[in-house]
Amino acid sequence: DTGVSQNPRHKITKRGQNVTFRCDPISEHNRLYWYRQTLGQGPEFLTYFQNEAQLEKSRLLSDRFSAERPKGSFSTLEIQRTEQGDSAMYLCASSFRRFRNDGYTFGSGTRLTVV
Amino acid sequence: KQEVTQIPAALSVPEGENLVLNCSFTDSAIYNLQWFRQDPGKGLTSLLLIQSSQREQTSGRLNASLDKSSGRSTLYIAASQPGDSATYLCAVEGDSGGSNYKLTFGKGTLLTVNP
Repeated sequence: DTGVSQNPRHKITKRGQNVTFRCDPISEHNRLYWYRQTLGQGPEFLTYFQNEAQLEKSRLLSDRFSAERPKGSFSTLEIQRTEQGDSAMYLCASSFRRFRNDGYTFGSGTRLTVV
Repeated sequence: KQEVTQIPAALSVPEGENLVLNCSFTDSAIYNLQWFRQDPGKGLTSLLLIQSSQREQTSGRLNASLDKSSGRSTLYIAASQPGDSATYLCAVEGDSGGSNYKLTFGKGTLLTVNP
């Protein structure tokens, strides 16, 4: 197992275009999370899946954002009609809450630049 | 709403020095506290996780303590090395609203260890 994998690593897009990011979690992890991090800030929670069910979506996410996790495996995060304010690092994490000390494992992130 | 504060925002020390990074949180009803390291432009690497019932955790030259009642945690780094240079992020999981599935992060402490 090579950890949490995110693709692409970098994405530059023009304002108004749609973008999609992919996250492959650790295979036995049933929980998957998306976070967004802007420069100089800590990551902020966006959404959370337990298996294939999306259980919470932050108020930070506008209707332009949608996330899916079909069959409880990989996840995609789509941003429609991108805006310059969407420029950030998008981080995916996974966990398996079998024990209380099972923490989060993060991927390397996808850096989005909207020009 | 849970809020996490990290002090100092930046720290520069000579190689070999012992140092302490501070983290405070406003809602003591946490599930876990986790310290992460982030290198520039990269994802997060988990360093230590402390369950709410624990007082400290150790890994190599790192020691993290937790005082849940006062809402504080410290990360102690012994005999610092230039390779320790990174941003250190503190994150708490959970609050009195029962959200035991998302992390709230501080803004991080940028550590520079000079050779």
